[in-house]
Amino acid sequence: QLQLQESGPGLVKPSETLSLTCTVSGGSISTSSYHWGWVRRPPGKGLEWIGSLHYSGSTYYNPSLKSRVAISVDTSKNQFSLNLSSVIAADTAVYYCARHPPTRNTWQSWFDSWGQGSLVTVSS
Amino acid sequence: DIVMTQSPDSLAVSLGERATINCKSSQSVLYSSNNKNYLAWYQRKPGQPPKLLIYWASTRESGVPDRFSGSGSGTDFTLTISSLQAEDVAVYSCQQYYNTPLTFGGGTKVEIK
Repeated sequence: QLQLQESGPGLVKPSETLSLTCTVSGGSISTSSYHWGWVRRPPGKGLEWIGSLHYSGSTYYNPSLKSRVAISVDTSKNQFSLNLSSVIAADTAVYYCARHPPTRNTWQSWFDSWGQGSLVTVSS
Repeated sequence: DIVMTQSPDSLAVSLGERATINCKSSQSVLYSSNNKNYLAWYQRKPGQPPKLLIYWASTRESGVPDRFSGSGSGTDFTLTISSLQAEDVAVYSCQQYYNTPLTFGGGTKVEIK
């Protein structure tokens, strides 16, 4: 059974970089047809897609965050990571990693497996 | 960006009664070449991650009870819980995957009356 688990600091200072890692178990991140993504949920708000990637290196980012976001993959560890730079208080959220199943004509799809989520607070 | 607007923000339904949640997209998410609506529904319970319920607007994910159903096309969609159970108390969100950025609705909180 596929499992995803986020890990990283729960507290980040303003202007610093938020770094999270998602470890995938029960399946290979290098399975060709799947993409992997990050989604966040600020307190009291709805879900926001941050970005997604394919193990081959293709990445797709939300334009609202693109200048500050980098998502990368380490296939040897079956992990993918999120870096969000120059954080502010509004970046406080629960951060989820998740998997996109394949569709026939586009990488864009729903999320069928999710990590438990990692609360990251931005505060000095 | 495609804006997803859900209504109502919250609703209280008696056990065994029907719950109806609406989701409206700011532009059509129907892809004409395959006649598919690029819309999914999720359930999120407190302290848990979202759980996929429905994709392609009406295809139920494996293991999801058949009291959950999705309908609609183009810009207007509905998630229906035909007979509300206590374990269905949660926040329900829609998501479009027709365009990037992928976007979600603000969520509808379902409670027991």
